[in-house]
Amino acid sequence: DTAVSQTPKYLVTQMGNDKSIKCEQNLGHDTMYWYKQDSKKFLKIMFSYNNKELIINETVPNRFSPKSPDKAHLNLHINSLELGDSAVYFCASSRAGLDTQYFGPGTRLTVL
Amino acid sequence: AQSVTQLDSQVPVFEEAPVELRCNYSSSVSVYLFWYVQYPNQGLQLLLKYLSGSTLVKGINGFEAEFNKSQTSFHLRKPSVHISDTAEYFCAVSDKPGANNLFFGTGTRLTVIP
Repeated sequence: DTAVSQTPKYLVTQMGNDKSIKCEQNLGHDTMYWYKQDSKKFLKIMFSYNNKELIINETVPNRFSPKSPDKAHLNLHINSLELGDSAVYFCASSRAGLDTQYFGPGTRLTVL
Repeated sequence: AQSVTQLDSQVPVFEEAPVELRCNYSSSVSVYLFWYVQYPNQGLQLLLKYLSGSTLVKGINGFEAEFNKSQTSFHLRKPSVHISDTAEYFCAVSDKPGANNLFFGTGTRLTVIP
């Protein structure tokens, strides 16, 4: 069974649209994350949720909104998509503390 | 905020040769260091981590790294690489235990040549 899964794997959309990416983990972890990897492979954290509470928000535009319906899910909703949002988005999860983060396979978002 | 520098964006190496991927971090009172690997079209996977204790850390797939506080480095090494080691390697640092905020370097593309 996949530990951290994301859907969809690929997402192609027009500027101005609203889209969501879903993430689920079956590891029983308390903390989940969203990362953005740009075209130069630079990976930057966007959000972190610990037991459904937001604990990190690294200056991400408010068009991005994470939603955690329960401890096993952390979805990413993006409003009014822009060209610069094109990237690969990774979900990850871990136990609390400096534990290993387990990454999902990524969602490649292309904004036209 | 913490930061890491990976000096080499690309490292080509012949199969069965040794390799070292360099990582330097910005100085802090406490620092926690990680190496992750990303195989093509996949997510990241932890290779090894340094939290405390022995400065030589052994990880999966025959990789190891040495924490050097005086040189603020955490270089990754493998004595003999395989074709399957071809991937992107990321060094990451955190200075806040419990907050899990990792700061990643820009990555080093390791290409193993047959």
